[in-house]
Amino acid sequence: AQSVTQLGSHVSVSEGALVLLRCNYSSSVPPYLFWYVQYPNQGLQLLLKYTTGATLVKGINGFEAEFKKSETSFHLTKPSAHMSDAAEYFCAVSDRSGNTPLVFGKGTRLSVIA
Amino acid sequence: DAGITQSPRHKVTETGTPVTLRCHQTENHRYMYWYRQDPGHGLRLIHYSYGVKDTDKGEVSDGYSVSRSKTEDFLLTLESATSSQTSVYFCATKRPGGNTEAFFGQGTRLTVV
Repeated sequence: AQSVTQLGSHVSVSEGALVLLRCNYSSSVPPYLFWYVQYPNQGLQLLLKYTTGATLVKGINGFEAEFKKSETSFHLTKPSAHMSDAAEYFCAVSDRSGNTPLVFGKGTRLSVIA
Repeated sequence: DAGITQSPRHKVTETGTPVTLRCHQTENHRYMYWYRQDPGHGLRLIHYSYGVKDTDKGEVSDGYSVSRSKTEDFLLTLESATSSQTSVYFCATKRPGGNTEAFFGQGTRLTVV
């Protein structure tokens, strides 16, 4: 069975600082991986996804993530945090068939301090 | 945007009453899901559907049932609401395939008093 672990339920950074949100997965074969963002009182929206090809994936709003098979990780980064980045971020994993539902991590709440 | 509409957006109900939440999509996505979101638990899967009349249980299905009589509609019913079912409920849709992302509705905030 697949699972996702997000280290840190809450991360706080200063405006302009590097954002690093951690995600590790457990899967018998390399899965497909997703990052979603949830702004207050809204649904989740896709930030980026890794399926095949380049292991460094660029998403919306300046975010990117790197798939590292050897470390079973898919950490999300952004070089410079903006106040508007304050939100909850979820990492999710899918098997390659797509015949089982996405499995989500518990989420990391990002706060950005002025 | 997959055109997912959840109704109602907010509901307060009494313990022991049945409640039905509706998810409607306009994108003809085959797969549909119901999740609940609670602090400290992230998103937990309640039930899902891979097509009309094809549903299955998720990890927290006790006390919930679903129906899908049309591609575009996926109903979640709380048979007899309890305070532990106070939560935010999200519907999601997806095309087949492991590399396709899920699209989410705006959520329904349900309070059971």
